[in-house]
Amino acid sequence: DAGITQSPRYKITETGRQVTLMCHQTWSHSYMFWYRQDLGHGLRLIYYSAAADITDKGEVPDGYVVSRSKTENFPLTLESATRSQTSVYFCASAPETGGGYTFGSGTRLTVV
Amino acid sequence: QKEVEQNSGPLSVPEGAIASLNCTYSDRGSQSFFWYRQYSGKSPELIMFIYSNGDKEDGRFTAQLNKASQYVSLLIRDSQPSDSATYLCAVGLNSGGYQKVTFGTGTKLQVIP
Repeated sequence: DAGITQSPRYKITETGRQVTLMCHQTWSHSYMFWYRQDLGHGLRLIYYSAAADITDKGEVPDGYVVSRSKTENFPLTLESATRSQTSVYFCASAPETGGGYTFGSGTRLTVV
Repeated sequence: QKEVEQNSGPLSVPEGAIASLNCTYSDRGSQSFFWYRQYSGKSPELIMFIYSNGDKEDGRFTAQLNKASQYVSLLIRDSQPSDSATYLCAVGLNSGGYQKVTFGTGTKLQVIP
């Protein structure tokens, strides 16, 4: 299917466990982003990528790791999950020419 | 001061009325401005973008930009109950070849039938 897909939609994990959230886009957009959305904070950028093998930190990168070996995939890994990482995570993509972002459907992560 | 500020609402308007959503931003170098709609439990969806001062119309939506006042607004004409959602203002700034986009926390709109 064309578009941007995230998996899983819902995830419950325990404190200290490693968890990976997946993001896949079919448009060959250069830019990909990971945001978390929390009440009172809105959307906050975790990491972004300008192209394969090029990633950079956003506003709240601590505790997260990303990779981008292929243009279409941009997984986000929580190395050792903490309760403060309970959130809704959105992946987004954008073409190099600019314009707005297209968001995936999100992953609701609960750390217990 | 937040980079992008919006009134959280809720903003309640009767069906058929004009809804006016406002946003201010702090960085005078900002170059691109976006409005996203987010239904409860869903992801943000781009509905409008504007780069130049003035108005931009798309159907029932009009985006207005005033860079001197650092102010962006979204007007929704003939509001429908289906317009009830949270509207996110986003502001873009070119930074080292990358368009850094900062989101406001959103204004919740309720259209009353």
